[in-house]
Amino acid sequence: KAGVTQTPRYLIKTRGQQVTLSCSPISGHRSVSWYQQTPGQGLQFLFEYFSETQRNKGNFPGRFSGRQFSNSRSEMNVSTLELGDSALYLCASAPLGLYEQYFGPGTRLTVT
Amino acid sequence: GENVEQHPSTLSVQEGDSAVIKCTYSDSASNYFPWYKQELGKRPQLIIDIRSNVGEKKDQRIAVTLNKTAKHFSLHITETQPEDSAVYFCAASTGGNQFYFGTGTSLTVIP
Repeated sequence: KAGVTQTPRYLIKTRGQQVTLSCSPISGHRSVSWYQQTPGQGLQFLFEYFSETQRNKGNFPGRFSGRQFSNSRSEMNVSTLELGDSALYLCASAPLGLYEQYFGPGTRLTVT
Repeated sequence: GENVEQHPSTLSVQEGDSAVIKCTYSDSASNYFPWYKQELGKRPQLIIDIRSNVGEKKDQRIAVTLNKTAKHFSLHITETQPEDSAVYFCAASTGGNQFYFGTGTSLTVIP
């Protein structure tokens, strides 16, 4: 099976802009989670989607949002970008009923 | 919410020696504890996991132990090799796919 894919892999945006990141899970996986990885904070949970519904949400401001489509592909959006949003954004998918998460390669977002 | 602490933040060992990384968690409802290995510039890869109904699990040179009473779990790597050099993350979950990660341990295996 193909692994989790994320697009784009690299992105440079200006403060105040918005950005949309995309994640395609492993075929058959219906759960998609998003994480922000920074050197100082490590991996922090953003939110999880399952069957097009947000099932869990981490402690991030409302500027961070997401959605999931009927084919399980997921997008996350960050509005009004701040310098501190520069990070590696990872998505992970999991099969139904199991805990194991498989990560994508990430999108490296740089905000200038 | 859950809080996961991980120690040490950096670890250097000689090739062939053992490495131990320790994590503690705060939420007694956590029932799934995976360990991920992340090489530079690559995605985190699941290397081993343990559920709360098991005290120890082993996979070749890697083992994980869990002490539910003390709320801590550990990763043990024996006969370390240079390719074991990476950042290792522990995590805890109370269910679903919301993981709380430790801050990572940078392991260097010196040939």
